[in-house]
Amino acid sequence: EPEVTQTPSHQVTQMGQEVILRCVPISNHLYFYWYRQILGQKVEFLVSFYNNEISEKSEIFDDQFSVERPDGSNFTLKIRSTKLEDSAMYFCASRSTGGGGYTFGSGTRLTVV
Amino acid sequence: EDKVVQSPLSLVVHEGDTVTLNCSYEVTNFRSLLWYKQEKKAPTFLFMLTSSGIEKKSGRLSSILDKKELFSILNITATQTGDSAIYLCAVGGAQKLVFGQGTRLTINP
Repeated sequence: EPEVTQTPSHQVTQMGQEVILRCVPISNHLYFYWYRQILGQKVEFLVSFYNNEISEKSEIFDDQFSVERPDGSNFTLKIRSTKLEDSAMYFCASRSTGGGGYTFGSGTRLTVV
Repeated sequence: EDKVVQSPLSLVVHEGDTVTLNCSYEVTNFRSLLWYKQEKKAPTFLFMLTSSGIEKKSGRLSSILDKKELFSILNITATQTGDSAIYLCAVGGAQKLVFGQGTRLTINP
């Protein structure tokens, strides 16, 4: 069964450093998303991406965040200057145009120290 | 503001019991309601509901949506220890999913 692949599975970074989280969505999917889940809290929407541009973003997705689809298969989330409160599990998801269910990757656990 | 509320937040039952998990929502531009099971990491897809009153079934799990009353239930019959997980309800709008806080289900042998 097709899956969404995320790397790395766990990243530890120092406060103020830049991190790039990587995702390979399902190949025929056209809608891509990043969500995050702070430990013990609900899954929160960050950003949606379609046709090579952001279609919606949440209040969390401020200027320190950016997304890119650099090569037609990868979908990345960059956090420019990490803060302690960015520590969370980050999930990538994708879906097809047919309105099907969203498929989530296994997540990247980001720990900012 | 879009809102999805799940109840109960936590449920502990014995193997073999039947459980019902609830999800109510207030979302603009409703497109679909989805149920996910989250064990260790990624939420895994269970059901997507778009129409009222049509039950979706997969083995011991079933779910139904009421778009008039703005809620959905997820039923699990003959529970097994492998059903222990957090069950997430999410409502899909035009561009995103809004998640509830989840129900932590524990099945004791």
